[in-house]
Amino acid sequence: DAKTTQPNSMESNEEEPVHLPCNHSTISGTDYIHWYRQLPSQGPEYVIHGLTSNVNNRMASLAIAEDRKSSTLILHRATLRDAAVYYCILNNSGAGSYQLTFGKGTKLSVIP
Amino acid sequence: DAGITQSPRHKVTETGTPVTLRCHQTENHRYMYWYRQDPGHGLRLIHYSYGVKDTDKGEVSDGYSVSRSKTEDFLLTLESATSSQTSVYFCAIRGWDNEAFFGQGTRLTVV
Repeated sequence: DAKTTQPNSMESNEEEPVHLPCNHSTISGTDYIHWYRQLPSQGPEYVIHGLTSNVNNRMASLAIAEDRKSSTLILHRATLRDAAVYYCILNNSGAGSYQLTFGKGTKLSVIP
Repeated sequence: DAGITQSPRHKVTETGTPVTLRCHQTENHRYMYWYRQDPGHGLRLIHYSYGVKDTDKGEVSDGYSVSRSKTEDFLLTLESATSSQTSVYFCAIRGWDNEAFFGQGTRLTVV
């Protein structure tokens, strides 16, 4: 799987929007962009994924650059419960194994 | 949570003993995965399965074996546990839209 680059940590104030960036300059045309988060002492949790177009769901929005070399996960209104490590992962869903390769992610702190 | 249950949730075992961790899913998903998570390494894939009796190795498969005799169960076995296998183990399934769902994890300590 192609690599992604994320900041090690970010801070946000509660109730403010959060933009978590991810660079993936070697992305291939069939790589989907996935985001997961991991709260303390829990398993990773699926957040959102997309291929080319921006995506919205109840948890977040995913903004994908036109050249697909970067993307941004948007939490519209951060809550204390959103404090977690956020992982940006590329995955080629056409590949048989569908392995997810996790990097170190971005640790998001939410300040009350 | 896609109906994923891991058991046990915590286990302490002695070096050299066999250990089996179980992952159970209730939604008939084809793909199942075992990961381990250690400080400084993130999550690493151990083995995965793409159907009953169909399994393959991941990045860190040495010292581990798996079995899948039924769609709903994926077992991870440490034939002879070592201290380096002290870790948190996560099971995952591939959902219908190619998203992954993870279990709550099993914390294994080998003493």
